[in-house]
Amino acid sequence: KAGVTQTPRYLIKTRGQQVTLSCSPISGHRSVSWYQQTPGQGLQFLFEYFSETQRNKGNFPGRFSGRQFSNSRSEMNVSTLELGDSALYLCASSLGYEWGNLAKNIQYFGAGTRLSVL
Amino acid sequence: GESVGLHLPTLSVQEGDNSIINCAYSNSASDYFIWYKQESGKGPQFIIDIRSNMDKRQGQRVTVLLNKTVKHLSLQIAATQPGDSAVYFCAEISPFSGGYNKLIFGAGTRLAVHP
Repeated sequence: KAGVTQTPRYLIKTRGQQVTLSCSPISGHRSVSWYQQTPGQGLQFLFEYFSETQRNKGNFPGRFSGRQFSNSRSEMNVSTLELGDSALYLCASSLGYEWGNLAKNIQYFGAGTRLSVL
Repeated sequence: GESVGLHLPTLSVQEGDNSIINCAYSNSASDYFIWYKQESGKGPQFIIDIRSNMDKRQGQRVTVLLNKTVKHLSLQIAATQPGDSAVYFCAEISPFSGGYNKLIFGAGTRLAVHP
């Protein structure tokens, strides 16, 4: 089975621009979560999508948004980029259970998109 | 490769020794815990998980211990190998703080294995 695929792997943008990152989950997974990883703040949850609906959201400004398509692929968008948005953005997919057998609800991560804002 | 964390605590061990990586979690209501391993240039990789109704769980060369009284989690790696060199993160899930698909990660520990 193919793993979680994130594109592109690297991006360089300038302040004020906007960016869109893409994530293709493992086949059969309906939940896609996004995380931001920085040396200073570590790994922080951005949001989670399940069946095309945002189900959970972290503490990030409205400049960070996402969506999920009917095939479970997801995109996240960051508008009006700031220098502090430079980070590794990770996507994880899972079956998306909210209850029950959590052993089947493991989140599998992609390799990430490294975003540099200049 | 990309740096995961420039100022992470580092555990240095000799190849063949046992490693113990510790983690303090934040929410007493968390009921599910996971250890991830992140190698340079890669995303976190699942190692082992444990529910809050358990104290110990064993996998292949790894054991996770949970002490709910002091909100402490540990990962033991037996016979550490050079391929175990990575950053290790604990993560907790609290169903009342975002559901079962929101991982709250610890700061991470870098494991360096020396031959």
